[in-house]
Amino acid sequence: DTGVSQNPRHKITKRGQNVTFRCDPISEHNRLYWYRQTLGQGPEFLTYFQNEAQLEKSRLLSDRFSAERPKGSFSTLEIQRTEQGDSAMYLCASSLIGLSYEQYFGPGTRLTVT
Amino acid sequence: TQLLEQSPQFLSIQEGENLTVYCNSSSVFSSLQWYRQEPGEGPVLLVTVVTGGEVKKLKRLTFQFGDARKDSSLHITAAQTGDTGLYLCAGAKSRGTSYGKLTFGQGTILTVHP
Repeated sequence: DTGVSQNPRHKITKRGQNVTFRCDPISEHNRLYWYRQTLGQGPEFLTYFQNEAQLEKSRLLSDRFSAERPKGSFSTLEIQRTEQGDSAMYLCASSLIGLSYEQYFGPGTRLTVT
Repeated sequence: TQLLEQSPQFLSIQEGENLTVYCNSSSVFSSLQWYRQEPGEGPVLLVTVVTGGEVKKLKRLTFQFGDARKDSSLHITAAQTGDTGLYLCAGAKSRGTSYGKLTFGQGTILTVHP
């Protein structure tokens, strides 16, 4: 399967713990995006990378959130000191630069903070 | 503030009926995407429209982009139970601070009953 993959698919953590999610984009795609989706809403943009450079971060991305794409391939999203309000589906998508609007999504990581 | 407004939010119909979902904005988008999402999964790209007035057909699904590129519609003919899901529209801009990210509507939950 050459689609976008995300791990883990589900994560349950206690408030105050740190969590890290991984995204592997489609291999030839040089853009990688992170979105967050809460129940009953469409996805909301968090941040995106072009190769290894992080080009934009949403105001939704507080200081507790950090994302990396060290070699321009896979990406990680870390949330420190999780809060119950962080509970959501975290989606990763990838695209080609010239077709940045055609974004292909992974299956998501469902985070539950208890 | 929701930049893309979808209507209706919920749609419950019988198999064989036709339906239309609308996606409206006061902003101009360079392209508009329609996605379908199943519970616990990431959105799956159905179509991209880029030209004002463009109409695209995908089997029983017809997508239209408004002349002014501010609105779009999705029409399904003879709905089937397999069409059940969350339908999302997403707009992309070609320049400025919004470049590279998708802005999603809140989605339309479609349920097709046998």
